[in-house]
Amino acid sequence: DTAVSQTPKYLVTQMGNDKSIKCEQNLGHDTMYWYKQDSKKFLKIMFSYNNKELIINETVPNRFSPKSPDKAHLNLHINSLELGDSAVYFCASSQIRTTGEDGYTFGSGTRLTVV
Amino acid sequence: AQSVTQLDSHVSVSEGTPVLLRCNYSSSYSPSLFWYVQHPNKGLQLLLKYTSAATLVKGINGFEAEFKKSETSFHLTKPSAHMSDAAEYFCVVSDWEDTGRRALTFGSGTRLQVQP
Repeated sequence: DTAVSQTPKYLVTQMGNDKSIKCEQNLGHDTMYWYKQDSKKFLKIMFSYNNKELIINETVPNRFSPKSPDKAHLNLHINSLELGDSAVYFCASSQIRTTGEDGYTFGSGTRLTVV
Repeated sequence: AQSVTQLDSHVSVSEGTPVLLRCNYSSSYSPSLFWYVQHPNKGLQLLLKYTSAATLVKGINGFEAEFKKSETSFHLTKPSAHMSDAAEYFCVVSDWEDTGRRALTFGSGTRLQVQP
């Protein structure tokens, strides 16, 4: 009964390939996110979807394309992978209420290695 | 714009001694503040959160943090460190931006080492 699950956990691929990372949450949250954690552990938001609608799209190469078929899923597709894309990618979800935020629930991460 | 500064990139304590991880933030509106922990090769786990209720917040595993608006700080403490506390800790602020959207900003992280 994992709250936010992302697959695969590890992904090793060659430069130039296209790959996808899937994310699903069963918390009933309205908002989902993709974060990238670089080698120095710094986390940076990439995208945010609220009820299947894109609300945050940070400065990310357009090789990265998020897809949200429903509010429980947010997948990340990456075209023409580059060495610099190697990182850990975290999916997260949250629910913002009038009383504040419940906090963000993160998946366990996908370690992408581009060779 | 909001920002988070974790004042120590690395903290080392002995098992059984107190832990203090420092965090300062800046925010224009009414922020929510969080501490997350990341164990090696694991995901991020929420330790505790402040969302405009009590300023002293208790979290899991004996951690607590105090929101001090006058000092714009949200330091994380624990009375007695355990070996299993060794991990990376992130202070996070969430607030409204001028664009009308909510944004989450992570600190750079503090690596906690616990010596036997």
